[in-house]
Amino acid sequence: AQKVTQAQTEISVVEKEDVTLDCVYETRDTTYYLFWYKQPPSGELVFLIRRNSFDEQNEISGRYSWNFQKSTSSFNFTITASQVVDSAVYFCALSEMGFNAGNNRKLIWGLGTSLAVNP
Amino acid sequence: KAGVTQTPRYLIKTRGQQVTLSCSPISGHRSVSWYQQTPGQGLQFLFEYFSETQRNKGNFPGRFSGRQFSNSRSEMNVSTLELGDSALYLCASSPGQANNEKLFFGSGTQLSVL
Repeated sequence: AQKVTQAQTEISVVEKEDVTLDCVYETRDTTYYLFWYKQPPSGELVFLIRRNSFDEQNEISGRYSWNFQKSTSSFNFTITASQVVDSAVYFCALSEMGFNAGNNRKLIWGLGTSLAVNP
Repeated sequence: KAGVTQTPRYLIKTRGQQVTLSCSPISGHRSVSWYQQTPGQGLQFLFEYFSETQRNKGNFPGRFSGRQFSNSRSEMNVSTLELGDSALYLCASSPGQANNEKLFFGSGTQLSVL
């Protein structure tokens, strides 16, 4: 069965530290998408990145970077030089695209990692 | 462009009552999905509507229902409320034309069942 595990429930760092949020997934499909979303205190989730299972290239966007490794079924997220505004709950999610998935918005979510960046 | 709007922001109900939540998607988006978020279970998919039709459904009891109107606005209804229905209910919209589009979320409706 499909599953997303974010083992770190809470992380607390001091501003300017680098921090990595772990995401491990399980799926039997060979075709799938992985996502990261950020949920600030205001509540609405904000899309950060989408990666399909055929693209293992790492991605960097400003202070954010993502490391996708199919061999370990992981899709980790690193924030470099963290800032107070990065404080939020971060969610990793999986969407399968196999034969039976159809046109599917049925994301499977991890439980989230709450990141606190202290000044 | 206005974002996804959910109303009301907070609701307090008692067991046995019913509740209706509303979601206005981003203009031009035809897909609306609903999620339930609780501390213990995290985010769980309820259902998705596209062009007034339910396209996907999660594993929730029949007490949870929804609908979508011709202007893409969506409502979610929960009947015979239970204490366990206390949660943040999030609505997300997307154009709906492709698989795995990014979702745009509202700020949610915090429902408390007493």
